[in-house]
Amino acid sequence: EAGVAQSPRYKIIEKRQSVAFWCNPISGHATLYWYQQILGQGPKLLIQFQNNGVVDDSQLPKDRFSAERLKGVDSTLKIQPAKLEDSAVYLCASSSVPTRGQFFGPGTRLTVL
Amino acid sequence: QKEVEQNSGPLSVPEGAIASLNCTYSDRGSQSFFWYRQYSGKSPELIMFIYSNGDKEDGRFTAQLNKASQYVSLLIRDSQPSDSATYLCAVWETSYDKVIFGPGTSLSVIP
Repeated sequence: EAGVAQSPRYKIIEKRQSVAFWCNPISGHATLYWYQQILGQGPKLLIQFQNNGVVDDSQLPKDRFSAERLKGVDSTLKIQPAKLEDSAVYLCASSSVPTRGQFFGPGTRLTVL
Repeated sequence: QKEVEQNSGPLSVPEGAIASLNCTYSDRGSQSFFWYRQYSGKSPELIMFIYSNGDKEDGRFTAQLNKASQYVSLLIRDSQPSDSATYLCAVWETSYDKVIFGPGTSLSVIP
């Protein structure tokens, strides 16, 4: 069974530029999550999808971040414009039964200069 | 949003010893509890989940849950240098219908 795929793996941009991340979850997993993980901290949930509907986006900075999951499969997360404090690892995860845990992709390390 | 707290660490144990990692949570309605392992520069990997009071064992790993005390722990028996990683506790908060992660505890197993 293929795992969660993410791209790109690394991205370096300057502040005020835009960037987009892509995620393809494990086949059949209805729930998809985007997390932000800053060095030394636990992952912080940005947005959670159930199929193509948003379950929770309470911690998504909506003035600059947006996410979509068209057709209930893969998803994109966009930041526009980026700030220095957005430097972090962006993790995508998926699950079939959320109460039994999530499976993470390799993450995208974003550096904003 | 409720909190999930873990030992600040880092925790160092000698090879072959038992490593004990602790986690407390504040949402009494929480139903599912998870332990993830995260190697440096890698993404979190699910080790175990538990939702009933008591112990759940999987190989060298044992998760212990005490809902009355709002406490969940992970024991690693016969610790190996390859167990050196950050261990993340996560809790499914029923009130918010989402998972909250703790800050993680760094474990170092000394050969």
